[in-house]
Amino acid sequence: EAGVAQSPRYKIIEKRQSVAFWCNPISGHATLYWYQQILGQGPKLLIQFQNNGVVDDSQLPKDRFSAERLKGVDSTLKIQPAKLEDSAVYLCASSLGDFFEQYFGPGTRLTVT
Amino acid sequence: QQPVQSPQAVILREGEDAVINCSSSKALYSVHWYRQKHGEAPVFLMILLKGGEQKGHDKISASFNEKKQQSSLYLTASQLSYSGTYFCGTGKNTGNQFYFGTGTSLTVIP
Repeated sequence: EAGVAQSPRYKIIEKRQSVAFWCNPISGHATLYWYQQILGQGPKLLIQFQNNGVVDDSQLPKDRFSAERLKGVDSTLKIQPAKLEDSAVYLCASSLGDFFEQYFGPGTRLTVT
Repeated sequence: QQPVQSPQAVILREGEDAVINCSSSKALYSVHWYRQKHGEAPVFLMILLKGGEQKGHDKISASFNEKKQQSSLYLTASQLSYSGTYFCGTGKNTGNQFYFGTGTSLTVIP
């Protein structure tokens, strides 16, 4: 079974530029999560989708971050404009549902200079 | 709202035991445990859905005290491969607002 795929793996941008990350979850997983993990900290949930609907985006900085999950499968996370403090690893995870284990992708390491 | 884990860090010799605690100020309905090795993504260990539930596989087990809003992860006869950062994750009854804990760095030395 294929795991969660993410791209790109690494990205370096200057502040005020925009960036987009892509995630392809495990086939059949209805729930998709985007996390931000700053070095030395635990993952912080940014947004959770159930199929193509948002069930929780309370910690998403909506003035600069946006995410969508078209057709309930792939998802993209966008940052526009980026700030220095956005430097982090962005993890995508998927699961069968709320109370099931989450499977994580390899992450995208973003550096904002 | 983020669960607090203790200890923050622990160093063990192979074969020793460890306990990692996870405490929440909010009511818990589920507790997940994950291990993350340096430079890698978190890997699922186990999930507890009911107060009083205990689970385990191999030499890693966990308990969930719903009343105390706490969960503990037990590692017995630790192996070098157990090294990494352990995170608990807690969810509300609807599964929304999932929070990872503060993390516990565990290092096993020969």
